[in-house]
Order: sequence, then structure tokens, then C-alpha cells
Amino acid sequence: NAGVTQTPKFQVLKTGQSMTLQCAQDMNHEYMSWYRQDPGMGLRLIHYSVGAGITDQGEVPNGYNVSRSTTEDFPLRLLSAAPSQTSVYFCASSLVKRTGLYEQYFGPGTRLTVT
Amino acid sequence: AQKVTQAQTEISVVEKEDVTLDCVYETRDTTYYLFWYKQPPSGELVFLIRRNSFDEQNEISGRYSWNFQKSTSSFNFTITASQVVDSAVYFCALSDLEMDSSYKLIFGSGTRLLVRP
Repeated sequence: NAGVTQTPKFQVLKTGQSMTLQCAQDMNHEYMSWYRQDPGMGLRLIHYSVGAGITDQGEVPNGYNVSRSTTEDFPLRLLSAAPSQTSVYFCASSLVKRTGLYEQYFGPGTRLTVT
Repeated sequence: AQKVTQAQTEISVVEKEDVTLDCVYETRDTTYYLFWYKQPPSGELVFLIRRNSFDEQNEISGRYSWNFQKSTSSFNFTITASQVVDSAVYFCALSDLEMDSSYKLIFGSGTRLLVRP
């Protein structure tokens, strides 16, 4: 049981390049989400999904795309990287019910630098 | 709109001291959930507690305890007899069921705790 896995661990991009951060979970969780962590700002929600085929925007969605074709995978796409997207990215998954979110299990993070 | 405020940016204590990390939240909803997560220097995020808005009982887990007060919109976290291994960044987070924010987990900016030997 690997939990939540993220690849790559580190990435350096040039401004304007695109790339996809991968996230996978093996706990059959309906809910998956992406956060970015910047110094002094905590974690900010980028996008989330409550099931395959369903995605929605978080607090800071601009410049990012997501899709959820399977329960297990939730990739995050940077369309045209900008230096402001330099950050640590965390993927998370959890159970979810009408009554709300349960504890989220986080991946180890991807450290992205855009030059 | 939801908001979580952790006013203490950094706290430094000597081992065995007790320390309280403050968390103040804002929400218009009557049904919501509060969370605490720990991020040790290794960088991973570790779940500590989830509390729903209808349960105001304080919770104790070993050296950790949480004080939830709806009257002051606070969900404070106390570590008793702190240890060096408690050194980490601690995040408070809020999730409510408002129509436009369902299933969003909003984090505070975190408090960095340094426990010195």
C-alpha cells in the first residue's frame, strides 16, 4: 500500500515550458486535491476532484489544469510555466461524504523551480 | 468567506516546556470541520486531528491536547512537556459546507515551533 505518490520529486523548468506533475493513490479515495506551498503562506488549494470526471477550482487555479479520468490518478498540468509558479506542490487524497472532508493523506511533494 | 489565522509565525521553547499554538477561524457556516497537521523538517504533512463544529469537547492524545471554543472561533493546540522531536511547522485548517466552498480545505499560514534541548 503506497498511499499517495508524486513524481517527479524535483523539477526545473524554463519560463514558458509546460509539464505535468503526476499524482496517484491506491486507497480508493474519491477526493483528490493539489496544493502549493510557498514560504509564509501555508498551503493553498489549486484544484480538487470529488470523483472521476469531476474537477473544480480551488483558491489559486490560474495557470494550472487538471483532469480525473480514473479514481487513482490526478495529474496537474502547468500550461506555460512562470517564475511565480516556483513552489512545492503537494497532492492529497481522502474519503469524502456529504457531511464533509475526512483526513487528507498527502504525497511527499514536488519541488518545482521555474527560471 | 473562510479564513484561518495563525498569528504566531514562530515560537521557540526549551524542552519540557508547555506550548500553545493558536488558531482562529472564520466561517459563516454552522457545520464545519477543523484540522491540525504537522510538517516536520523532512517536509511531509502528518494529520493530527479532525474536529466537527458540533463537538466542543476538548481532546487529549498523549502530550497533545486541543481546545475548541466556538464562542471565540478558536481551535488551539497545546503540547505538554515539549520534546525536540516536536520541532515542526504546524498548520490549522478549516473545511465547511457552504455552497461555494464545499470540499475545500483552507489552511492557515502555519506556526513554526522550535524546541531547544
